[in-house]
Amino acid sequence: AQSVTQLGSHVSVSEGALVLLRCNYSSSVPPYLFWYVQYPNQGLQLLLKYTTGATLVKGINGFEAEFKKSETSFHLTKPSAHMSDAAEYFCAVSDRNDYKLSFGAGTTVTVRA
Amino acid sequence: GAGVSQSPSNKVTEKGKDVELRCDPISGHTALYWYRQRLGQGLEFLIYFQGNSAPDKSGLPSDRFSAERTGESVSTLTIQRTQQEDSAVYLCASSDQVDNEQYFGPGTRLTVT
Repeated sequence: AQSVTQLGSHVSVSEGALVLLRCNYSSSVPPYLFWYVQYPNQGLQLLLKYTTGATLVKGINGFEAEFKKSETSFHLTKPSAHMSDAAEYFCAVSDRNDYKLSFGAGTTVTVRA
Repeated sequence: GAGVSQSPSNKVTEKGKDVELRCDPISGHTALYWYRQRLGQGLEFLIYFQGNSAPDKSGLPSDRFSAERTGESVSTLTIQRTQQEDSAVYLCASSDQVDNEQYFGPGTRLTVT
């Protein structure tokens, strides 16, 4: 089974500052990679995903992530944080022949005014 | 169109009682997944249904857990003789066969007292 590590359970950023959320996975074969966001009292929403092709993936709300095979990483970034970005973010992976998702423990983002 | 719906949204039960959780997937989605989210942790895969194929039950934590799905519609997750460690948010997701993107419901928060 895949293992997903999200570095930092809590991240606090100032409004307008860079958001960087780290995700590393354990797999010798590049998997499918996902970032989900969970707003308070809501279900998970897909931010972006990587399956094949361009390694820099752009998602909704100004987020993007880059797949780096050599580092087995899929870090999520947003150049300028907005108050509405306060939420919990989950990195997830699946094997290419298996649709089950393995999730990281999540990173809670707070945005300071 | 309507998203994935789950009921009840909250369930409080006494230890030892059985509970049944319901998931209504997006119409036309052939795949349905159940996950469990314990407090402060990522999601754990429980079970996966794909069309009329035998379900993948590899994530069910014990034989107290079972799930059924009627065709490509509603699914129910049953937990028998509930224990306090079963307290969690149970999330359902569905996907189609085009891009396999999983759409999540809002979850059922189960509290076992």
